[in-house]
Amino acid sequence: GAVVSQHPSRVICKSGTSVKIECRSLDFQATTMFWYRQFPKKSLMLMATSNEGSKATYEQGVEKDKFLINHASLTLSTLTVTSAHPEDSSFYICSARAVFSANTGELFFGEGSRLTVL
Amino acid sequence: TQLLEQSPQFLSIQEGENLTVYCNSSSVFSSLQWYRQEPGEGPVLLVTVVTGGEVKKLKRLTFQFGDARKDSSLHITAAQPGDTGLYLCAGNAGGTSYGKLTFGQGTILTVHP
Repeated sequence: GAVVSQHPSRVICKSGTSVKIECRSLDFQATTMFWYRQFPKKSLMLMATSNEGSKATYEQGVEKDKFLINHASLTLSTLTVTSAHPEDSSFYICSARAVFSANTGELFFGEGSRLTVL
Repeated sequence: TQLLEQSPQFLSIQEGENLTVYCNSSSVFSSLQWYRQEPGEGPVLLVTVVTGGEVKKLKRLTFQFGDARKDSSLHITAAQPGDTGLYLCAGNAGGTSYGKLTFGQGTILTVHP
């Protein structure tokens, strides 16, 4: 159990276009999902916290108009990179918090999405 | 802002050697997780430690949570090439920040045959 699926795993787009990445909890409900950005050989950088039915909370320095997050249901959160530019190229990862892991705070991670902006 | 200092950042060893990775903070965490990540994939949870002084073993991996819940270590015995990867510690502050993990900088481990 506790599987989180991200789609697409890889995406290449032209500069100026928008790209949507989906994060789904397949076998559990996730009231909270987190979106991270990761540069090569570096740790995860939290971008925003996504709560079902409410606006996402963005970390300092992350443009909310650039990275649109929607958490429409208890199993789905989406990250849309608007008007993407080459500097937005990165590995984006989502994670989900499950009710059954509330005591430990464990998170379950998606497989990640590699975005390349030409 | 809570910080987790993870060291070393890079570790290159021969098969059969032992190693230890450290995560230290001046802040107290309600729990701490260790993850392993391979290139192009998401992190995979190895263990969660919750109680101060707790020691958990996972085959050749031994995880320890400091008595004050401010630090943790990962010890690998007789490392194998399959242990190669990025190891991440992540602390959970709890309270209103519950689930919002603070990640260490990561340790890139390379085990040579």
